[in-house]
Order: sequence, then structure tokens, then C-alpha cells
Amino acid sequence: SFELTQPLSVSVALGQTARVTCGENSIASRSVHWYQQKAGQAPVLILYRDNNRPSGVPERFSGSKSGTTATLTISRAQAGDEAEYYCQVWDSRTGFFVFGTGTMVTVL
Amino acid sequence: EAQLVESGGDLIHPGGSLRLSCAASGFTVSSNYMTWVRQAPGKGLEWVSVIYTGGGETYADSVRGRFSISRDDSRNMVSLEMTSLRVEDTAIYYCARLSGYYSFDSWGQGTPVTVSS
Repeated sequence: SFELTQPLSVSVALGQTARVTCGENSIASRSVHWYQQKAGQAPVLILYRDNNRPSGVPERFSGSKSGTTATLTISRAQAGDEAEYYCQVWDSRTGFFVFGTGTMVTVL
Repeated sequence: EAQLVESGGDLIHPGGSLRLSCAASGFTVSSNYMTWVRQAPGKGLEWVSVIYTGGGETYADSVRGRFSISRDDSRNMVSLEMTSLRVEDTAIYYCARLSGYYSFDSWGQGTPVTVSS
């Protein structure tokens, strides 16, 4: 199997841009999904298929991929964006679902 | 609107068994892929199991042979039967629906399972 590597934490000033990375050698060929989990709550899907937002998710959340890294970008960060963020992919070879290690985003 | 409500979490001794249930509303479980995901205290998300519309099942290596996922179409529910429980199975267990893109697009609030002597 493989791992999706994320930074432990990212800090961003209020109103600025935060970037959360998700690394894996074959990520370019995988669909990447992103989740937001606030303290004490269940995760919520915020991006699917690399850069698609479910209904209700602000345009401030966007995704991209380059090489072996997928990136979640949070523009104009708000206090309410403070949460743990996870990337996730499906491994078609094994049928397993893999989550990233998680990144805590702190808004200063 | 899709809703999922888990139940059945409890404090259980190592080696014991427990059955978790997930009641769905707003959609039909038989027409969707349904999964269980867990989160140990202070840790990240870990996928546990999936049941496909055709009834096929897949399990994470950490639970294969001990856990069993099933579906009750008449009650629109999904269950997770857990046996030979270990201390490391302690977690909040979430029921989640899979989208056609293999993302988890709807989650329950979770039910806590504690395995301790």
C-alpha cells in the first residue's frame, strides 16, 4: 500500500492564503478528495475529483495537482476555516481507500 | 437531504464483540456504496470497510477476518459486526456514503467504541 503525506500543521493570517499539500508518487493518476473536520465534528467533503466543490462549499476552497503533490488552497482565510484537513484517494489496484495523515490549519 | 445516524457504540472488553448500526434517510442504501471509517482518539481517519451495491465487500487489512459489513435493504440500514476486538480498535466509528467518484459525500456523527479491560 501507500501513504498520503501531509504537513502536520499550517498557519495562515486572517484574510491570507493557506496551502495544504498531499504527497504520493502516483497522485497525478488518482482522483483526490479533500475533507474538513472541525473539532468534535464529523468530516465534511469540501472538494472532490481534485478541484470540484460540492454544493454549499465556498469558492475560496480550490484544489490543484502538480507532479507528486496535490494542493488544497484556502483563499481569504477566515476564523471559521480553522480545522483539520484530510486528502483521500481510492486505490483501484486493491480497492482500498486511503486518507492522508491530516493537516491542522490555524488562522492567526 | 441525505442523513446517517450511527448507534451501538459501547465500552467492551478485549476479545469481545459489538454490532454497530447506521440508519439512512433521504436516500436508499441499496443504490449506494456504503462504508465505515474510524478515528482513534487524537488520530487521523482510517477507512474500515465498504459494501457495494452488488453486495461485494472490502476490508482494511487491520480488520479483515474480524469485522463484517452488511446491509438491510428493508430497513435502509448498514451494520458493522465487530469480533475479537482489540484495544487498538478503540475509535469513533463513522458511517459514510460513497459517491460515484469514490469520495465520502455524506457522514454520520459517529458512535464511540472503547475497548478496554
